[in-house]
Amino acid sequence: EAQVTQNPRYLITVTGKKLTVTCSQNMNHEYMSWYRQDPGLGLRQIYYSMNVEVTDKGDVPEGYKVSRKEKRNFPLILESPSPNQTSLYFCASSSDSSGNTIYFGEGSWLTVV
Amino acid sequence: TQLLEQSPQFLSIQEGENLTVYCNSSSVFSSLQWYRQEPGEGPVLLVTVVTGGEVKKLKRLTFQFGDARKDSSLHITAAQPGDTGLYLCAGGGGSNYKLTFGKGTLLTVNP
Repeated sequence: EAQVTQNPRYLITVTGKKLTVTCSQNMNHEYMSWYRQDPGLGLRQIYYSMNVEVTDKGDVPEGYKVSRKEKRNFPLILESPSPNQTSLYFCASSSDSSGNTIYFGEGSWLTVV
Repeated sequence: TQLLEQSPQFLSIQEGENLTVYCNSSSVFSSLQWYRQEPGEGPVLLVTVVTGGEVKKLKRLTFQFGDARKDSSLHITAAQPGDTGLYLCAGGGGSNYKLTFGKGTLLTVNP
């Protein structure tokens, strides 16, 4: 079964405590990306990756880092989380650049207090 | 920055009615996608349109891409409660996999 798996699904953390949200896909997709979804703002792209070791900034990259050391994994790193990073985060993967076969994970609810 | 405006933002209708949701931009997109998202879940891709004027049908859903590739519409015929959800459009700029999403239309179909 095609899957994009995110962990953790729910997390409450404190300001400044580094955290990583993992994302793994089992479809051998080249393209992966991270989004955050906020009320009134919709889905906004944070970072995307077109292949191993190839990443680029999306619309809202500030405060986030990513890495793509393996094709299947694309972790999102918050080095020093702040309350304005409280959001619902989605990882997505696709087999092509147009996103014709894009799959989203189930989301990670992150609260920074 | 490319922007996609969706309208209406909220829509509440009775079962059996028809509806149209719009997605508009001042920018040209190489492709446009429609998604449905249910509470607690990630968006699910419904369709991708890539050619100006293209029309695609998915059962009771009809998607159209504008001739100039700046706008799109989603028409639902005889809406059912199972159609309830957040409908999102997203525009792609080409080979760099950068997607821009609209803010969505929250559809509620009442039995």
